[in-house]
Amino acid sequence: DTEVTQTPKHLVMGMTNKKSLKCEQHMGHRAMYWYKQKAKKPPELMFVYSYEKLSINESVPSRFSPECPNSSLLNLHLHALQPEDSALYLCASSQAYRNYNSPLHFGNGTRLTVT
Amino acid sequence: DAKTTQPPSMDCAEGRAANLPCNHSTISGNEYVYWYRQIHSQGPQYIIHGLKNNETNEMASLIITEDRKSSTLILPHATLRDTAVYYCIVPFHSGNTPLVFGKGTRLSVIA
Repeated sequence: DTEVTQTPKHLVMGMTNKKSLKCEQHMGHRAMYWYKQKAKKPPELMFVYSYEKLSINESVPSRFSPECPNSSLLNLHLHALQPEDSALYLCASSQAYRNYNSPLHFGNGTRLTVT
Repeated sequence: DAKTTQPPSMDCAEGRAANLPCNHSTISGNEYVYWYRQIHSQGPQYIIHGLKNNETNEMASLIITEDRKSSTLILPHATLRDTAVYYCIVPFHSGNTPLVFGKGTRLSVIA
């Protein structure tokens, strides 16, 4: 069990669908992250939110739209995805961004398949 | 580029100590060393981190050399459930990215 909860665990969507991934933490953390992990590869950073404001966008295509409605919630809105976007999407949180002494805590991810 | 070097794979007999090495020769004075692991189909799990002193928690021990250029993660009594990919990471070493995952070490614990 992790303290970062991601829903759904699995998602299959067509290329014309709109869907959202959700992430929630109740540890009082003020930084939240989205990572993407392709099969047999390490996770790669997509977005960082700090105090509910977007701090980093790692040149992610606009078909991925993050949202941080409050300090406990992080969403990733998906639209017009491509089959190559199929991956494990991981959410993480930490006490603060750029705090060297602050570990990231990850959820178990949403496994996304785009058909 | 994760700026750390780890062996790609290691085996360990169940019940024995697993010692996973990591080189981070370009680490700066205020940068921590973090260890995470990822068990198949799960998210990365935080294990331990340290600055210059050795650290121990309920999961593992972290030994950092005096010059801080390398470290070793020790799992004192490895079990089959410790089979995973282990990542040694120096956060923010490559700029603004908190965690850059390299290829890690695939640890196989063998019965």
